[in-house]
Amino acid sequence: DGGITQSPKYLFRKEGQNVTLSCEQNLNHDAMYWYRQDPGQGLRLIYYSQIVNDFQKGDIAEGYSVSREKKESFPLTVTSAQKNPTAFYLCASSIAARGYYEQYFGPGTRLTVT
Amino acid sequence: SQQGEEDPQALSIQEGENATMNCSYKTSINNLQWYRQNSGRGLVHLILIRSNEREKHSGRLRVTLDTSKKSSSLLITASRAADTASYFCATDAISNFGNEKLTFGTGTRLTIIP
Repeated sequence: DGGITQSPKYLFRKEGQNVTLSCEQNLNHDAMYWYRQDPGQGLRLIYYSQIVNDFQKGDIAEGYSVSREKKESFPLTVTSAQKNPTAFYLCASSIAARGYYEQYFGPGTRLTVT
Repeated sequence: SQQGEEDPQALSIQEGENATMNCSYKTSINNLQWYRQNSGRGLVHLILIRSNEREKHSGRLRVTLDTSKKSSSLLITASRAADTASYFCATDAISNFGNEKLTFGTGTRLTIIP
């Protein structure tokens, strides 16, 4: 089956700890994205990557970091500098980073920090 | 910042009725996409309309685009219980950096009453 996987589905962490969210795709897509969704709100872009070893900040990158060492993988680290990390995190991919390509989304990871 | 604003924020209709949701955006765009999100899941692409198109159909979905008013509408005909979900518009704003990113609206929560 082709698609995007995110793990784990639920993640709990103590305040002050860094945590890494996994995102893997086997669609052979060049572009990958990380979004944050808060209750009742739309998606906000954290980071995106157009190609391996390259990534750009989105609208809310502060307190987050990413890497793109392999085409298939785009992990997101939520650092202790992120003031309000509890949220639903969605990973997506597309053939290329262009607005005329649809994005394919993973099932999401719900992160709770206490 | 949110490029798109959906209206209404929430909509409840009887099964079999038509559902109409609207999206307004602020800056000129190349493309507009509509996505569906079931509760607690990732988004699924529904339809894309280009800035030079005025109307597009896909099954029970009809999308219109009015670039002079910077607005789009999504019509779901003969609604079914399975259509219960949140619906988001996403736009790629024309910019000097190319249309690399999608900006998502705040969403309309649609509930179909059996």
